[in-house]
Amino acid sequence: QVQLVQSGSELKKPGASVKISCKASGYTFTIYPLNWVRQAPGQGLEWMGWINTKTGSPIYAQGFTGRFVFSLDTSVTTTYLEITTLKAEDTAVYYCARGQDVLVVPPGDYWGQGTLVTVSS
Amino acid sequence: QAVLTQPPSLSASPGASASLTCTLRSGFNVGSYRIYWYQQKPGSPPQFLLRYKSDSDKLQGSGVSSRFSGSKDPSANAGILLISGLQSEDEADYYCMVWHSDAVLFGGGTRLTVL
Repeated sequence: QVQLVQSGSELKKPGASVKISCKASGYTFTIYPLNWVRQAPGQGLEWMGWINTKTGSPIYAQGFTGRFVFSLDTSVTTTYLEITTLKAEDTAVYYCARGQDVLVVPPGDYWGQGTLVTVSS
Repeated sequence: QAVLTQPPSLSASPGASASLTCTLRSGFNVGSYRIYWYQQKPGSPPQFLLRYKSDSDKLQGSGVSSRFSGSKDPSANAGILLISGLQSEDEADYYCMVWHSDAVLFGGGTRLTVL
């Protein structure tokens, strides 16, 4: 069955970096887009962008350029989100989510369980 | 001004129906978009419920009850999620979304209370 399993919670100090993983299984990894979605505490969903798992090309949403990096390792069917120069406002749950279909980027049925990143001194 | 506007909260009684609206900003014609709907319960990731563009272009999420259905109100320029036969388990946050200019746009979400 299709699964997206994310790495565990992180506690980081301001200015540090964090790298979250999202391991996919149960389907052909390189044919579905993978999205990243952020949810700050008590807030709604924010789309961060997506990565083309065939080419490795990332597309970043407005507001998520510069400090946010999507990458992947097809050999282990895993995609990564790295956030540099962390700020308190980066405190959130980060979700990976598979595109709905081969050529359909918006998230469909499959989401990771979420990774809580807490930025605090 | 946000592209998608959802009422922050809605209350309804068990067994009743609830219509959750997702209004598109002026200049964004609801007829042109697939409206996606997600349900999120506390501590869980969002769950894809359905997407709706028209009766001939719609998709129900895997395992999603037929009590959830989509429609549009062109006069209000809005997408609608209809939940019939409300159950206590339907109490959750609901988000709409559209794909516009190669980007995912989420609404702010509606908290549905079933009481």
